[in-house]
Amino acid sequence: GQQVMQIPQYQHVQEGEDFTTYCNSSTTLSNIQWYKQRPGGHPVFLIQLVKSGEVKKQKRLTFQFGEAKKNSSLHITATQTTDVGTYFCAGREYGNKLVFGAGTILRVKS
Amino acid sequence: DTAVSQTPKYLVTQMGNDKSIKCEQNLGHDTMYWYKQDSKKFLKIMFSYNNKELIINETVPNRFSPKSPDKAHLNLHINSLELGDSAVYFCASSLSDRGAFFGQGTRLTVV
Repeated sequence: GQQVMQIPQYQHVQEGEDFTTYCNSSTTLSNIQWYKQRPGGHPVFLIQLVKSGEVKKQKRLTFQFGEAKKNSSLHITATQTTDVGTYFCAGREYGNKLVFGAGTILRVKS
Repeated sequence: DTAVSQTPKYLVTQMGNDKSIKCEQNLGHDTMYWYKQDSKKFLKIMFSYNNKELIINETVPNRFSPKSPDKAHLNLHINSLELGDSAVYFCASSLSDRGAFFGQGTRLTVV
């Protein structure tokens, strides 16, 4: 069945450093979504990517969807303490369910 | 004006009991979901309903039964609770295959 692998599992950065999490699917995706979950909170939808090679930005966050629509990345520039949390990718096969990656836990040292 | 609300927020119960979790969304979405998040934070889909119709039913024990009385509600009933059912259960909704909006979660502890 469809699998979505996400790395790294944890990332501990100094405030001001950059952070990237990567997502790889075993199958071609129709779209990929990214979510953020703060400690003790619920997942919050950040963005959806649909087109091959798509790049979208939200302030310090840059999201990419690979040309083959099987991988994606989220890059945060100059992390802040407010960025702490778990970042999940979620991939959807055509006409199929949304499968979440295991998430990357981000900790930021101030 | 909460978008996706689920109750209760916490649920502590004994093994063997039956319990329900309720979920309501006021976003006008056509699709609703139940997810289980285990202690390792892994999010696994359990059920998905589109316009009150069950479209995804993952490999979940049949002790778990979803019910969707209308498009705005998706409740989860669990029979004969077991220790391994302890987790956080999230309800979510979306417009078709767009981004999902999650409820606050229900932390279920079975003792």
